[in-house]
Amino acid sequence: GAVVSQHPSRVICKSGTSVKIECRSLDFQATTMFWYRQFPKQSLMLMATSNEGSKATYEQGVEKDKFLINHASLTLSTLTVTSAHPEDSSFYICSARAGQGTANYGYTFGSGTRLTVV
Amino acid sequence: GESVGLHLPTLSVQEGDNSIINCAYSNSASDYFIWYKQESGKGPQFIIDIRSNMDKRQGQRVTVLLNKTVKHLSLQIAATQPGDSAVYFCAENIGGGGADGLTFGKGTHLIIQP
Repeated sequence: GAVVSQHPSRVICKSGTSVKIECRSLDFQATTMFWYRQFPKQSLMLMATSNEGSKATYEQGVEKDKFLINHASLTLSTLTVTSAHPEDSSFYICSARAGQGTANYGYTFGSGTRLTVV
Repeated sequence: GESVGLHLPTLSVQEGDNSIINCAYSNSASDYFIWYKQESGKGPQFIIDIRSNMDKRQGQRVTVLLNKTVKHLSLQIAATQPGDSAVYFCAENIGGGGADGLTFGKGTHLIIQP
């Protein structure tokens, strides 16, 4: 089945620094990838949608200059949290899907990244 | 179930019993629905999906029911096992799995009592 690898699984960074999270589709080409954020005991909230080779589309209230998304290839999307602050501490989860008509048309999720900003 | 404040609703069932987890959705244009299971510290795991042209779909030990009239979705898990303990989320999408991401429900924490 479709596998999405997310790295790192946990990261602790100092306030003001930047952190990059990688999301890779291992056995399929992902034309679209999604980034979600999940605070403790809450649901997943969609942050942005990225399509390979084009700019990401951000959900309302998500700062595009703070959460930089790059989807330069069909198997890799990255989320960079710039100038991180403690309130950015959260569980970040990516999701990838293949193009329409391919076998893996469902949404496949990564295992998540626990970001702690100190 | 509906959440109160920031706390997930909890459903506690005895091992071996059946469980029913409910979800209300708000967008009448949604036409694709998915149930996910999320264990602590992990990403969501696909359980079962259903499209709006159906009202019932069955998988292994799981059944999803869709009532579009009242915008309600339920997940039935038969003969629950300890490994079923997790948080369950419903998710909806417009366009049958199109370009948009998923909108997740609030989640229900299922606890299986031995």
